[in-house]
Amino acid sequence: DTVMTQSPDFLAVSLGERATINCRSSQSILYSSNNKYYLAWYQQKPGQPPKLLIYWASTRESGVPDRFSGSGSGTDFTLTISSLQAEDVAVYYCQQYYYSPHTFGQGTKLEIK
Amino acid sequence: EVQLVESGGGLVQPGGSLRLSCAASGFTFSSYWMHWVRQAPGKGLVWLTRIKTDGSTIDDADSVKGRFTVSRDNAKNTLYLQMNSLRDEDTAVYYCARPAVAGTNWYFDLWGRGTLVTVSS
Repeated sequence: DTVMTQSPDFLAVSLGERATINCRSSQSILYSSNNKYYLAWYQQKPGQPPKLLIYWASTRESGVPDRFSGSGSGTDFTLTISSLQAEDVAVYYCQQYYYSPHTFGQGTKLEIK
Repeated sequence: EVQLVESGGGLVQPGGSLRLSCAASGFTFSSYWMHWVRQAPGKGLVWLTRIKTDGSTIDDADSVKGRFTVSRDNAKNTLYLQMNSLRDEDTAVYYCARPAVAGTNWYFDLWGRGTLVTVSS
């Protein structure tokens, strides 16, 4: 199975500051035919299902604020929130959808400092 | 409205069985692969299984192989998860999820609100 490892497990950032969450895949999730990374990011708030933020590693889902961005290459990926807002407090997960099982990272809990 | 609604969760004893349902509406259910994901209390997301549009192909995570079976009824726009030989560690919220693009297993843009399964004596 492809193991997705996120870091850190917990992150506290001041309002208006940048938050950076990392995700590493245990093997390549790049499909050479379309040159796309099969990597998504989700946000989950308490009592709610996950919400899609980013797909293809860097494409923002419609309606997601532009302070959220995704990047990465090889087996290392990053979710960045450029200016943290109070409503961004949540747990964030990366997921690879290249292989079955479609494994998730263990999650990163983001709070306000 | 495009939505997924899970049902069928509840309290079950270890070794027991339960069948979850996921009712789809607002989109062409038969055009989409469908997935189940679970989340134990206070824990992360775990992908469980997927089923092809016509039900002809199924892939399972090792943790549920031989115990859980996914199926679908496209005439009823409903996805199912039959869970047998339940264990304490199967206690979780179970979500059904739909990929964003029909016919693919790409990123999930539609999730149900989940149904809680509690395995306890």
